[in-house]
Amino acid sequence: DVKVTQSSRYLVKRTGEKVFLECVQDMDHENMFWYRQDPGLGLRLIYFSYDVKMKEKGDIPEGYSVSREKKERFSLILESASTNQTSMYLCASSLWDTNEKLFFGSGTQLSVL
Amino acid sequence: SQQGEEDPQALSIQEGENATMNCSYKTSINNLQWYRQNSGRGLVHLILIRSNEREKHSGRLRVTLDTSKKSSSLLITASRAADTASYFCATVNSGNTPLVFGKGTRLSVIA
Repeated sequence: DVKVTQSSRYLVKRTGEKVFLECVQDMDHENMFWYRQDPGLGLRLIYFSYDVKMKEKGDIPEGYSVSREKKERFSLILESASTNQTSMYLCASSLWDTNEKLFFGSGTQLSVL
Repeated sequence: SQQGEEDPQALSIQEGENATMNCSYKTSINNLQWYRQNSGRGLVHLILIRSNEREKHSGRLRVTLDTSKKSSSLLITASRAADTASYFCATVNSGNTPLVFGKGTRLSVIA
């Protein structure tokens, strides 16, 4: 069965720390995405990648970077975590096109103190 | 970014009743998708309807699309307590661009 795995379910970090959120998919999908979800704001796209080593900015890339060294793994990096980055982070993947059906991970609830 | 908007924001019904949620969007779309999210979890894809389709069914789900009104509706028939979740519509304008999600409808089904 299709699986998108996010490395942590809950994460607590301090302001200024460098934070890595990892996401792995086992479906050989071309596209991977990072969204953040906040109450009242819905899901907002941070970054996406349509191929290994390729990345595109989404709607809210400021304060984040990404890495996709292997097809199955897409990492979200918070260079210097801030309290306004406290959020639920959702990773997703799709097979060929970025507008196809998305498969989501279970999410990482990040708290920055 | 264009964004679908779900209506109502929250809906509470009794088990066995039908639940209807609506999604409106602003510009022409390639396809429209509906997703479900159980509390604190990831989203699960429910159904995709393309711009040249008017209606689609999947089990107890029925989705309609009216491109002239730029709106879609999701109907869940004979609802169950397990249907309690947030439901999101997601749209894409054209080409190979990522989905844009609405803010969701919170559905509570009371047993």
